[in-house]
Amino acid sequence: AQKVTQAQTEISVVEKEDVTLDCVYETRDTTYYLFWYKQPPSGELVFLIRRNSFDEQNEISGRYSWNFQKSTSSFNLTITASQVVDSAVYFCALSGTSGSRLTFGEGTQLTVNP
Amino acid sequence: GAGVSQTPSNKVTEKGKYVELRCDPISGHTALYWYRQSLGQGPEFLIYFQGTGAADDSGLPNDRFFAVRPEGSVSTLKIQRTERGDSAVYLCASSSGTALYGYTFGSGTRLTVV
Repeated sequence: AQKVTQAQTEISVVEKEDVTLDCVYETRDTTYYLFWYKQPPSGELVFLIRRNSFDEQNEISGRYSWNFQKSTSSFNLTITASQVVDSAVYFCALSGTSGSRLTFGEGTQLTVNP
Repeated sequence: GAGVSQTPSNKVTEKGKYVELRCDPISGHTALYWYRQSLGQGPEFLIYFQGTGAADDSGLPNDRFFAVRPEGSVSTLKIQRTERGDSAVYLCASSSGTALYGYTFGSGTRLTVV
């Protein structure tokens, strides 16, 4: 069985602060894929990043960066210099090799205050 | 179309009634997924179509739930004898391959059973 845990239910920061969203996963698959999605108030889920289990290189894309550590089964997202528009619910998700279904965490509500 | 379209955006129905939720995927996308998102939770997988056939329907909670995709494009999620516990946002997503290629999600249908 697969499981994704996002222990932070809500985070509130002031604009321009850096913020890290935690994600811990469980899977028996040796090959798997990890995702981050953003869900703004409009409700649509927006794809941010996908990582496969063989690629532990951390990545930076604009103000987003990802830290993937297989040893601790963690896949954390950091937003640098947060902006009010970053306010949303962020979901971490896990998929097996087939990629036919995603297992989502419960999400972290990020509020960025001006 | 330009994105994944779901109709209606909101549906209120009485307990025991039958409802149909429609999903119009991105043109040419062969894979289509249904997820259910309860308040404060992450999306939960319901069913995955590859073309016209249901490749994985293991997420459907019981036999009151059924989905079809007769021509490999538009899909309809059907719920019989609705219960108050069925109240949730039903999300549809499509992809050119599997989830590994990244989904595009629709804005969802908010179903309220009273």
